[in-house]
Amino acid sequence: DAMVIQNPRYQVTQFGKPVTLSCSQTLNHNVMYWYQQKSSQAPKLLFHYYDKDFNNEADTPDNFQSRRPNTSFCFLDIRSPGLGDAAMYLCATSLHRQGGFEKLFFGSGTQLSVL
Amino acid sequence: ILNVEQSPQSLHVQEGDSTNFTCSFPSSNFYALHWYRWETAKSPEALFVMTLNGDEKKKGRISATLNTKEGYSYLYIKGSQPEDSATYLCAFSLGGGGADGLTFGKGTHLIIQP
Repeated sequence: DAMVIQNPRYQVTQFGKPVTLSCSQTLNHNVMYWYQQKSSQAPKLLFHYYDKDFNNEADTPDNFQSRRPNTSFCFLDIRSPGLGDAAMYLCATSLHRQGGFEKLFFGSGTQLSVL
Repeated sequence: ILNVEQSPQSLHVQEGDSTNFTCSFPSSNFYALHWYRWETAKSPEALFVMTLNGDEKKKGRISATLNTKEGYSYLYIKGSQPEDSATYLCAFSLGGGGADGLTFGKGTHLIIQP
């Protein structure tokens, strides 16, 4: 089945040690999003790629970076994770057409713990 | 700052009962309102995307209504079943039809008790 796949499901890293989360999709969607959800809070958009164009949210810390080497893959890099970065990270895709309102397709998330 | 508010935060419902919960959002510059269901250990899954004031959508026992003038949407579940236990997220997108992503609420955590 076509889907959005996130690896790993659980990631444990040490304070300050760089970590990369990955997302792949077989839907051939042009937009890929990264959301962060902390406990009992709403999922918060960090950034998105529209094709190769990177769009950063104004309040996303510089500590968070992203790469999209091709249509299928997108990575979230956390350069120096702090305890406050422990969260569920959700990747989502959509097939966007101008003026459209397409639904998002989500991966199952990566739960990041920082020790 | 856009705020999407969902209530209640959590809800326990007896199997077979019907239930509903609310999403409120800014009524200005509205474009679309989404509902997602997120079961534990699974991916959030889209239920409905609504754009028109007065819109009503239905999928099996689940339905949703939309009031864009006053900025709210209701999600209804008729005859709740254990498989309906999940977190229900609503999300809002601004006008313009861009791909700028959605603003989510915190969700309503629904537990169906057998």
